[in-house]
Amino acid sequence: QTVVTQEPSFSVSPGGTVTLTCGLRSGSVSTSSYTSWYQRTPGQAPRTLIYNTNIRSSGVPDRFSGSILGNKAALTLTGAQADDESDYYCVLYMGSGIRVFGGGTKLTVL
Amino acid sequence: EVQLLESGGGLVQPGGSLRLSCAASGFTFSRFAMNWVRQAPGKGLEWVSIINDSGDAAYYADSVKGRFTISRDISKNTLYLQMSSLRVEDTAIYYCANLVPGRPTHFDIWGQGTLVTVSS
Repeated sequence: QTVVTQEPSFSVSPGGTVTLTCGLRSGSVSTSSYTSWYQRTPGQAPRTLIYNTNIRSSGVPDRFSGSILGNKAALTLTGAQADDESDYYCVLYMGSGIRVFGGGTKLTVL
Repeated sequence: EVQLLESGGGLVQPGGSLRLSCAASGFTFSRFAMNWVRQAPGKGLEWVSIINDSGDAAYYADSVKGRFTISRDISKNTLYLQMSSLRVEDTAIYYCANLVPGRPTHFDIWGQGTLVTVSS
């Protein structure tokens, strides 16, 4: 069974920079994983931040960026703001039609 | 208005069955692969299943394979999820979402969700 790993929680100071990662318990994440990142606020539909590893979705500020760091996908937030406090999910394409979400990272801005 | 509207959730006993529906409007339903994604109470998002635009190919998460069946009726702009042999761990809010072509993990339009509770 494929397990996609994310940090359960992370904290960043207002104005600070944080990098969230998305890995595989067994294996490496690459551009062939076509990673997307979603911001999930309670009561709202998930908002797409990044797709295909590093492409910002329409309307997403350039404070958010996606990349591959080593054997993981990464979401970097620069200049954190209070309203960035949310849950962040990555999702990977595993091939053969299968997608797998990570467990999510709860980001606190304080 | 672009919209996905799920229905069909409810309370069902373990081992029971349920069929979810997702009505699409405001976009060309037949051009998009469609997904079901769920979120159990206090848990994260879990991808469940996908069906391609023409409805002749479908894929499932291991957790539901052999128990759930995804289908679509293009004439009705509606997506379905037939769930059988339900387990307590299938309790979740179920969302439908489209997939942007050429972006294998980009779910663009989401419904508001329908709650499925499996309990005796």
